[in-house]
Amino acid sequence: DTGVSQNPRHKITKRGQNVTFRCDPISEHNRLYWYRQTLGQGPEFLTYFQNEAQLEKSRLLSDRFSAERPKGSFSTLEIQRTEQGDSAMYLCASSLAGDQETQYFGPGTRLLVL
Amino acid sequence: DAKTTQPTSMDCAEGRAANLPCNHSTISGNEYVYWYRQIHSQGPQYIIHGLKNNETNEMASLIITEDRKSSTLILPHATLRDTAVYYCIVRSYGQNFVFGPGTRLSVLP
Repeated sequence: DTGVSQNPRHKITKRGQNVTFRCDPISEHNRLYWYRQTLGQGPEFLTYFQNEAQLEKSRLLSDRFSAERPKGSFSTLEIQRTEQGDSAMYLCASSLAGDQETQYFGPGTRLLVL
Repeated sequence: DAKTTQPTSMDCAEGRAANLPCNHSTISGNEYVYWYRQIHSQGPQYIIHGLKNNETNEMASLIITEDRKSSTLILPHATLRDTAVYYCIVRSYGQNFVFGPGTRLSVLP
C-alpha cells in the first residue's frame, strides 16, 4: 500500500501526559500537512511542511503542540501536557506542490484524553 | 472560513444519481473547485477537481456553471458505500485547503 499511513490509529491518554503521532506520506510527495477534526466538523488546518521546512502554523497550534519532519520524509506531531480539549482526530495529508495540488489523507489518529 | 456553502444533508436512493450542489459565489479566477468525501471514521478521500470545464473520472462528474459561482458533484449510480460527508473546497495555488462542515449524503436502500 503506497498511501499515507498514520500511527497509532487510536490513543487514549490521561490529562497531562505527552503523546506523539507519526505520519508517513506518499514517498514522492514533498508537502505534508497536519489537520485536527472534532465531531461534526470538517478538518481544520494545523501546520504544513515543504520538505523538512515548516512553512506555516495555524493559530490553533498552541505552544503545547510541536511538529517535525526531520529528513523531509515522515513527520511527527507531539502534544505536551494534554488537555481534554485536545481529544480529536488528527489527520495527516501529503501532496506534490503545484497549482493543482491534491492532498491525499491518511486514516487519522483518534486521540482521547481522559 | 470556508468559501463555499453546501446543504447540511441529502438523501439519495440506491442506484440513482446523487447530485450534490455547492455554492462558491466569491470564487476568483485562479481558484480550483475540489471535492473530497469522508466515510465515517476514515480520512477524507479525494474525488475530483476542476477549474472551468466539466470533469469526469471513475468516481464522479463535476459540473461547474459558466460563471463559476456554483458547481455540482454527480455520483451517477449511488451505492450504500457512497454514504459519507462530502466537502466542496475552493483553493488557488498557495492557499490552504479550508474544509467547511460539508454535506452528509445518505444513500438509502
